Amino acid sequence: RKEVEQDPGPFNVPEGATVAFNCTYSNSASQSFFWYRQDCRKEPKLLMSVYSSGNEDGRFTAQLNRASQYISLLIRDSKLSDSATYLCVVNIGGTYKYIFGTGTRLKVLA
Amino acid sequence: SQTIHQWPATLVQPVGSPLSLECTVEGTSNPNLYWYRQAAGRGLQLLFYSVGIGQISSEVPQNLSASRPQDRQFILSSKKLLLSDSGFYLCAWSVPQVPAMEKLFFGSGTQLSVL
Repeated sequence: RKEVEQDPGPFNVPEGATVAFNCTYSNSASQSFFWYRQDCRKEPKLLMSVYSSGNEDGRFTAQLNRASQYISLLIRDSKLSDSATYLCVVNIGGTYKYIFGTGTRLKVLA
Repeated sequence: SQTIHQWPATLVQPVGSPLSLECTVEGTSNPNLYWYRQAAGRGLQLLFYSVGIGQISSEVPQNLSASRPQDRQFILSSKKLLLSDSGFYLCAWSVPQVPAMEKLFFGSGTQLSVL
């Protein structure tokens, strides 16, 4: 079983739609959680951290469920510019290791 | 502000040739440093990380090695490249023990093609 799993997609959605991605992790010692965005042939860029209480940044909402060991990302009012691959990242507590999921591709269609 | 430099952006090398990729970080001290590789259509694979000068942890057995000769310099090397070494190599840094700064920040990456 992979340490961090994501649905690879692609998710094809029209502009203005709401789309949600899930990510599951297997290590119960995981301590910090993040969503990164990666455009084709570019480096990943931090989208947002994920806090236990859930957090929102504009059109983006992230949630963490420690009991079920999953993280979610909700994008509202999708824009064409949101088209990218979204990477779920988990930091293993007590270590310096960040484990990446394989990413979920999103295509926002005009 | 902190910045990370990685070069070259693109590299084409023959099988069996040596490799040296360099990464430097500015604007911070004693960062944690990382090398990741992303094969085409796949996720990021952690190769090495370092918590200090001369301290290297290897995650995946391979013909690659890493060195940290200075606090903010991280080098990825190989004596003889294999076809399977092709991929997108990313250097990253994080600030240890500072919760607000525990995020990973990436360099712009090196696209390596081994032919």
